[in-house]
Amino acid sequence: RKEVEQDPGPFNVPEGATVAFNCTYSNSASQSFFWYRQDCRKEPKLLMSVYSSGNEDGRFTAQLNRASQYISLLIRDSKLSDSATYLCVEPFMDTGRRALTFGSGTRLQVQP
Amino acid sequence: DTEVTQTPKHLVMGMTNKKSLKCEQHMGHRAMYWYKQKAKKPPELMFVYSYEKLSINESVPSRFSPECPNSSLLNLHLHALQPEDSALYLCASSQDPYEQYFGPGTRLTVT
Repeated sequence: RKEVEQDPGPFNVPEGATVAFNCTYSNSASQSFFWYRQDCRKEPKLLMSVYSSGNEDGRFTAQLNRASQYISLLIRDSKLSDSATYLCVEPFMDTGRRALTFGSGTRLQVQP
Repeated sequence: DTEVTQTPKHLVMGMTNKKSLKCEQHMGHRAMYWYKQKAKKPPELMFVYSYEKLSINESVPSRFSPECPNSSLLNLHLHALQPEDSALYLCASSQDPYEQYFGPGTRLTVT
């Protein structure tokens, strides 16, 4: 199974800062990804999907660079509540089975 | 609030006990999943049920036994677990096979 790789961090940033994470992937055929957010001792929650056209939702922008095989998540005007682990997720199909491969996550700590 | 519910929230069991984890989803999704997550690690897929049939078993030891009584319910029966099985067990559901919604998890400790 192909993998996705993330910098584990932590990324420590002040409130109001802009921060970006990257996630690299090895399956050149992949065309879509997801970013999930997981707070400490909570379940992962879907943040946004990422296709070749990119995706923007408020302060969050996700982009897919297929040539260099990475996806990015940009967070503008960071809030304390953005502190969490951000998981890069790749859908895969393997001999007819569809499932998700999770990256190990990047931890973000926004400081006052 | 999540529309995937899991019970119990916490479970402590001995290695000779038999217990069950329960998951219920109220979104009419056709697929349900069990994941295991150790501290500071990503979720690891255990089982996938699609239309109430087991479609993926990621070579999970037989001491874990899934059951899908109907399209809304998913159980995980536990027997003769080991201390290394202590983890957060997450249930998820999806309509689209890729956009999955997770329950809050059951934090399991095996003593």
